[in-house]
Amino acid sequence: QSALTQPASVSGSPGQSITISCTGTSSDVGGYNYVSWYQQHPGKVPKLMIYEVSNRPSGVSNRFSGSKSGNTASLTISGLQAEDEADYYCSSYTTSDSLAIFGGGTRLTVL
Amino acid sequence: EVQLVESGGGLVQPGGSLRLSCAGSGFTFSSYWMTWVRQAPGKGLEWVANIKQDGSEKYYVGSVKGRFTISRDNAKNSLFLQMNSLRAEDTAVYYCARIPQLGRADYWGQGTLVTVSS
Repeated sequence: QSALTQPASVSGSPGQSITISCTGTSSDVGGYNYVSWYQQHPGKVPKLMIYEVSNRPSGVSNRFSGSKSGNTASLTISGLQAEDEADYYCSSYTTSDSLAIFGGGTRLTVL
Repeated sequence: EVQLVESGGGLVQPGGSLRLSCAGSGFTFSSYWMTWVRQAPGKGLEWVANIKQDGSEKYYVGSVKGRFTISRDNAKNSLFLQMNSLRAEDTAVYYCARIPQLGRADYWGQGTLVTVSS
């Protein structure tokens, strides 16, 4: 099964807001509210930022928010900070093989 | 504090085998699905295999089916990944993670590097 579709890169200036999209199908993103988002800094372990489309784990800044419409989920980061520069991956439950699938990842650059 | 510690990575020749282990602590291991996720050098994340709390259900990504086996020992709070018939494309950092809900990994280990090369 192909990975969920994310833009390869996005960028924004400090203080601005950016949105990263994650497009799947009705067998994954569109069919279930089990979309998660992960942040990964270079050489570091992925960190869960959003789960079940729009929920934030304890300790994650409220500058991070998630949403979904149809087969596309979105991660919005408001008030961009230099520390937000990282790779971001979406993930969804899926009815195929491994029961879970990642997006290809998006590199966020803070200008 | 939840901790996951992987071990068992290393250099192996194509066609060889390797067994990864993951020791969990700080939570009730037997209450959670567990997973192995891998990341090839410079590439994205990939769910490799998931296993239910009691080991009765196991799911694999298509590229490893028939070659990899996920298992667990709840008495020892341990997760395993037996990898056979290894290929160059299996080269990656392998992470074990706790999954309270399929598709969501809330705690990750530091990862162990598997290199398949002659």
